[in-house]
Amino acid sequence: DIQMTQSPSSLSASVGDRVTITCRASQGIRNDLGWYQQKPGRAPKRLIYAASSLQSGVPSRFSGSGSGTEFTLTISSLQPEDFATYYCLQHNAYPYTFGQGTKLEIK
Amino acid sequence: EVQLVESGGGLVKPGGSLRLSCAASGFTFRSYFMTWVRQAPGKGLEWVASISSSSTYIYYADSVKGRFTISRDNAEDSLYLQMNSLTAEDTAVYYCLRLDFWGHGTLVTVS
Repeated sequence: DIQMTQSPSSLSASVGDRVTITCRASQGIRNDLGWYQQKPGRAPKRLIYAASSLQSGVPSRFSGSGSGTEFTLTISSLQPEDFATYYCLQHNAYPYTFGQGTKLEIK
Repeated sequence: EVQLVESGGGLVKPGGSLRLSCAASGFTFRSYFMTWVRQAPGKGLEWVASISSSSTYIYYADSVKGRFTISRDNAEDSLYLQMNSLTAEDTAVYYCLRLDFWGHGTLVTVS
């Protein structure tokens, strides 16, 4: 199985900050990776697909990069509505696997 | 507008069974791989099972293999998850999804 190691597990930041979240795959997954945002009591919402493509309707302050085993999600200037939990998901091979999640909190 | 609406969750005793349904609308359901993902209370996301557009390919997480069955009815635009031999570890919100869009989820409590 492909393990996805996501870091950090939690992050405190302020409105306007730039933040980066990382996922490392235990083996190469090409660019078969998505990033999801989940707010409490809500279903996850995809932000990024194919590692670096912005989902339609998602603000451009979100960006993704990487290929192979190392991936990052960057939020260029945090907004109040961005405080949530973020997950990566690899869909290169079954079983699909998620990162452990990053809880982004207000400092 | 894409919609995925899960139903069928509820309270069930250990060893019991439950069948989840997911009604799809707003897209050509028969063209998409579909997936179930679950989230235990306060925990992360766990992939459960996926099924190809014509049901040719089916995949399960080891944690549910032999107990859960994913299926679909393309004529009815519906996805299903039959869950047998349930344990407390199966307690979770179950989401029906395409990779780009998720339903709101249905809560399964085994107690």
